[in-house]
Amino acid sequence: DIVMTQSPDSLAVSLGERASINCKSSQSLLYSSNNKNYLAWYQQRPGQPPKLLIYWASTRESGVPDRFSGSGSGTDFTLTINSLQAEDVAVYYCQQYYKTPPFTFGPGTKVHIK
Amino acid sequence: ELQLLESGGGLVQPGGSLRLSCAASGFTFSSYAMSWVRQAQGKGLEWVSSISGRSGSTFYADSVRGRFTISRDNSKNTLYLQMSSLRAEDTAVYYCAKGSDIVPTIFHRWGQGTPVTVSS
Repeated sequence: DIVMTQSPDSLAVSLGERASINCKSSQSLLYSSNNKNYLAWYQQRPGQPPKLLIYWASTRESGVPDRFSGSGSGTDFTLTINSLQAEDVAVYYCQQYYKTPPFTFGPGTKVHIK
Repeated sequence: ELQLLESGGGLVQPGGSLRLSCAASGFTFSSYAMSWVRQAQGKGLEWVSSISGRSGSTFYADSVRGRFTISRDNSKNTLYLQMSSLRAEDTAVYYCAKGSDIVPTIFHRWGQGTPVTVSS
């Protein structure tokens, strides 16, 4: 099974500043036949279900603000939130959907305001 | 508007059974894979099971294989999760999730969840 790890566990950022969250997979998520990374990011605000933010490691879901961006390839990925807003307080999860199940999530990174 | 509404959660004794439902609306249900993802209180997300749109192919996490059964009724736009031989560690909020247009296991939209508590 592919194991996903995230760092840090928790992150305090001032409003208007940048937040960066790292995600690492135990195997490469880059599929050579289409050159795509099978990695998604989700946001879960307090008391809410998760929401898809990014897929293919860097493609923003429709309606997601452009202050959210994803980068990385292979086994190392980053979610960046530029100019943090109050509504971005949430737990962020990465998830791999490479080939066969199980489709594992990272343990989550909690972002809060400094 | 796309909606996913879970129901059927509750308190059940260890070893008992429960059937969760997820009523879908606002999209062509039969065209999309659907999944169940659970979250224990204060914990992270755990993929449980997925079912394809038309063929009904099913996939399970090792932790539930042989105890849980995912199914769907495309005529009723409803997804199910039959849970049996329940254990304390199955206690969680269970979310149903719609697969994306691109890849079935990109969890495109989520319901609000239904809580399941396994306790004597």
